[in-house]
Amino acid sequence: ETGVTQTPRHLVMGMTNKKSLKCEQHLGHNAMYWYKQSAKKPLELMFVYNFKEQTENNSVPSRFSPECPNSSHLFLHLHTLQPEDSALYLCASSQPTGVRTEAFFGQGTRLTVV
Amino acid sequence: QQPVQSPQAVILREGEDAVINCSSSKALYSVHWYRQKHGEAPVFLMILLKGGEQKGHDKISASFNEKKQQSSLYLTASQLSYSGTYFCGTEDSNYQLIWGAGTKLIIKP
Repeated sequence: ETGVTQTPRHLVMGMTNKKSLKCEQHLGHNAMYWYKQSAKKPLELMFVYNFKEQTENNSVPSRFSPECPNSSHLFLHLHTLQPEDSALYLCASSQPTGVRTEAFFGQGTRLTVV
Repeated sequence: QQPVQSPQAVILREGEDAVINCSSSKALYSVHWYRQKHGEAPVFLMILLKGGEQKGHDKISASFNEKKQQSSLYLTASQLSYSGTYFCGTEDSNYQLIWGAGTKLIIKP
């Protein structure tokens, strides 16, 4: 247990569906991240939130829409995805903000787009 | 520019040593090492900062040579629990953390 919880653990969705991934941390961290992990590829940073403000969008297609209602929760809203979006989506948090601190990862949501 | 990890995979017998390398074409400010077991979250091992750091954690240690723009992770007397995929993340001058593709380590009894 890292203190970062992601739900659901597995998700299968059609290309016309709308779904949301949820991430929750009660570590008191103020930075939260979404990563995409595809087979045989490096971790790809998608979004960064610092103190609930989005500070980074790494050229992610608009079919992925993040939401950070408070510093403990992070969502990734999905709509009209493509099969190539199938991957493991990892959420992470850190404190204080910045790259030189340890990040705590959730176990991820395994997404399959059919 | 993504850091290059080598080797891509390594198979060891329990008790053997391994070295995993991470190199970048850009100047580095820090290097992060994580291990991920299948189906689990990546877990933090250590961060090395600019200044030629070396760190150790049980029988896992690492070095960071910023002149050569590379870091190495050393696993000594490997245990079955060391199996997993090891990722390095490198921080550049823009405070961007970019991850390598990972090195898969398999430890056999």
